[in-house]
Amino acid sequence: ELKVEQNPLFLSMQEGKNYTIYCNYSTTSDRLYWYRQDPGKSLESLFVLLSNGAVKQEGRLMASLDTKARLSTLHITAAVHDLSATYFCAVDIPFLSGTYKYIFGTGTRLKVLA
Amino acid sequence: SAVISQKPSRDICQRGTSLTIQCQVDSQVTMMFWYRQQPGQSLTLIATANQGSEATYESGFVIDKFPISRPNLTFSTLTVSNMSPEDSSIYLCSVRAQGGETQYFGPGTRLLVL
Repeated sequence: ELKVEQNPLFLSMQEGKNYTIYCNYSTTSDRLYWYRQDPGKSLESLFVLLSNGAVKQEGRLMASLDTKARLSTLHITAAVHDLSATYFCAVDIPFLSGTYKYIFGTGTRLKVLA
Repeated sequence: SAVISQKPSRDICQRGTSLTIQCQVDSQVTMMFWYRQQPGQSLTLIATANQGSEATYESGFVIDKFPISRPNLTFSTLTVSNMSPEDSSIYLCSVRAQGGETQYFGPGTRLLVL
């Protein structure tokens, strides 16, 4: 059974601190995505990682992908309160006739304390 | 990118009734997906809807409970039939262009079944 697991599930951190969220998946894939979801809102795309070794950075967030280890990380640098949200990774897997579909991770609920 | 709208945005329904959710996209897309997000949980794929063909359902979801229509390349509906309180969730429509690398998500429909 395909599994996409995130660690930790809940994270409470102080402003200014650094932390990493991990996304492990159990199938072969070289395409992985990170999304943010605010309470009561839909999903906002953060990063698109399409190859082994891909690294993307936007502001205080940096995402990387290691397809051999089946692992992606989302690193938070000097956290601020505005980063409080739930973060999901999603693995792209082959589907019908050359198309793909997402399998979502369990989600990490991040709370940044002032 | 794609702009997606869903109707209704929220609803409160009585058990045993059915609700049809509409998803409209501002451009033609090949793949349309329907997800369910139960409170505090991740997203689970219900089915994939391709224009001109029957929807493909994921394990645990059946057409009698979640009938889907896809009459053209910009529109789809999901019906939640014979509802019970366990169907209380957010239902999200998502789209992906042919050969597209990213899925885009609608704002969601928040359903409460009493």
